[in-house]
Amino acid sequence: QKEVEQNSGPLSVPEGAIASLNCTYSDRGSQSFFWYRQYSGKSPELIMSIYSNGDKEDGRFTAQLNKASQYVSLLIRDSQPSDSATYLCAVNLDRGSTLGRLYFGRGTQLTVWP
Amino acid sequence: GAGVSQSPSNKVTEKGKDVELRCDPISGHTALYWYRQSLGQGLEFLIYFQGNSAPDKSGLPSDRFSAERTGGSVSTLTIQRTQQEDSAVYLCASSATGTGYGGYTFGSGTRLTVV
Repeated sequence: QKEVEQNSGPLSVPEGAIASLNCTYSDRGSQSFFWYRQYSGKSPELIMSIYSNGDKEDGRFTAQLNKASQYVSLLIRDSQPSDSATYLCAVNLDRGSTLGRLYFGRGTQLTVWP
Repeated sequence: GAGVSQSPSNKVTEKGKDVELRCDPISGHTALYWYRQSLGQGLEFLIYFQGNSAPDKSGLPSDRFSAERTGGSVSTLTIQRTQQEDSAVYLCASSATGTGYGGYTFGSGTRLTVV
């Protein structure tokens, strides 16, 4: 069973704080990891991808991957009210007939209050 | 096209009617995926097309659901004899490589309401 688990939240942080979003996955064969942002009533938008252990930074966003612990996280520094959205973790199992298919967590709802 | 295009954006249908949802992926993308998202719920995988390979239909919830992809481009998702539980946002996504590397780009979705 391939599973991707996220805390559903809601997570509430003040403007300017660091928001930390966490995700665990069940399949050790997973190779590609993604974070999507979904505003209410909109479709998911890819914001970060990570493929190797360690940190990957893009502006205010940092993705962290630990394959041994089967854990991926997203840090948002200097959080802004415009970051308020649901964040979806997605994992690709890169083998066999499921090649290319992403498995999504249920999402963590983030609210950044001014 | 510049993005993934879905039509219609909204569809209201009576229970028991058939509906067709259309997806036009990003030009050159070999992989195309359909998901649905019910209100307040996560993304539910439906079906996946990769090039000329047989589609992965493992997520289709019943035999009322079918999809095809013509010419390796446009895809149509058909729901026959719609039920109220089919009400959801149907999302289409495409990917350049079909390996998952690089992630997907989603369309804006079709909101289906069955009354």
